[in-house]
Amino acid sequence: AQSVTQLDSQVPVFEEAPVELRCNYSSSVSVYLFWYVQYPNQGLQLLLKYLSGSTLVKGINGFEAEFNKSQTSFHLRKPSVHISDTAEYFCAVSDIGGAQKLVFGQGTRLTINP
Amino acid sequence: DSGVTQTPKHLITATGQRVTLRCSPRSGDLSVYWYQQSLDQGLQFLIQYYNGEERAKGNILERFSAQQFPDLHSELNLSSLELGDSALYFCASSVGAGSYNEQFFGPGTRLTVL
Repeated sequence: AQSVTQLDSQVPVFEEAPVELRCNYSSSVSVYLFWYVQYPNQGLQLLLKYLSGSTLVKGINGFEAEFNKSQTSFHLRKPSVHISDTAEYFCAVSDIGGAQKLVFGQGTRLTINP
Repeated sequence: DSGVTQTPKHLITATGQRVTLRCSPRSGDLSVYWYQQSLDQGLQFLIQYYNGEERAKGNILERFSAQQFPDLHSELNLSSLELGDSALYFCASSVGAGSYNEQFFGPGTRLTVL
């Protein structure tokens, strides 16, 4: 079974500062990795995903993430955040070829201060 | 707007009652997923249907059931409701059945059990 740990429940940063949201996963098999964003009172939206190939994945809204197999991590980064990035961010994993259900972390609330 | 619609947006009911949540997937999507989001459990996968057939099952209680109809809309039935069933229920859809497909989330149905 897979599990996902998002190391920070809340991350406050100032506008235009860089941010990193941390995600570690556990799985006995190879996995796909995802980051989703949830804006207030909305459903989730896919930011980016890692399926295979280059370990650096670029997504929407200037976000990117790096897959590190040895450290079983998939941290999300953005070099300069905006007020509009205020949201909850979820890391998720699913096993390749298995039940293929998404297992989500507990989420990280990103708050951007002016 | 993801293209996934869910009705109703809010539902308030009493313990012991039964409710039905409805989801219409994006045009062309064959897979429908149901998720439960609560403060204590986080975001949990409940069940997936693909073209009318159950594809994957998660932490879905026996009191809960779902189905996908020939027109591809789906319903989640929750019965013998308990206070702990209060949560946000999301439906998502994707083109295919594999977890590598991007899932598009609806705005959710907020269920309050009194």
